[in-house]
Amino acid sequence: AQSVTQLGSHVSVSEGALVLLRCNYSSSVPPYLFWYVQYPNQGLQLLLKYTSAATLVKGINGFEAEFKKSETSFHLTKPSAHMSDAAEYFCAVSGEEGNNRLAFGKGNQVVVIP
Amino acid sequence: KAGVTQTPRYLIKTRGQQVTLSCSPISGHRSVSWYQQTPGQGLQFLFEYFSETQRNKGNFPGRFSGRQFSNSRSEMNVSTLELGDSALYLCASSLASSASYEQYFGPGTRLTVT
Repeated sequence: AQSVTQLGSHVSVSEGALVLLRCNYSSSVPPYLFWYVQYPNQGLQLLLKYTSAATLVKGINGFEAEFKKSETSFHLTKPSAHMSDAAEYFCAVSGEEGNNRLAFGKGNQVVVIP
Repeated sequence: KAGVTQTPRYLIKTRGQQVTLSCSPISGHRSVSWYQQTPGQGLQFLFEYFSETQRNKGNFPGRFSGRQFSNSRSEMNVSTLELGDSALYLCASSLASSASYEQYFGPGTRLTVT
């Protein structure tokens, strides 16, 4: 079964500082990896996805993530945090044969300090 | 294109009752998946429907069921509601039942069981 680990449920970052959210995955097949963001009282919005085309993936709102197979990681970064980045972020993995089931991490609640 | 819509947005039910939630996917999308989100368990996969057939099922009791119609709209039903069924239920649609396709989420239905 596929799984994702996100450490640190709450992450505080100063406005203008680097945002770094860590994601490690476990998968017996080549994975597809995703980062989603959830704002209060809303569904999930796709930030970016990795589908083996390139290891460095650029997404919306200035976020990017790098796939490292040797480290089974897919960490999310943004060079400079904005107040509008305050939200919950989820890493997810899929790729098992015959289904598109997403296995999510527990999420990171990001707080941006002015 | 209109996004994924879910109705109702909020629902309050009593233990023992049953409930039906509705999801309309993005036009042209044929795969609909359902997820349950709770503070304790996070995001968990319920089931996926593609071309009116259940393709995959998560680890939930038989009280949770679903179906998909010929226009790809989907419903999920929960019978004999328990307090632990209180959650945000998210629907996601994608073009096809393949891990390489992005899943687009609706805003969710917030179910409260009293």
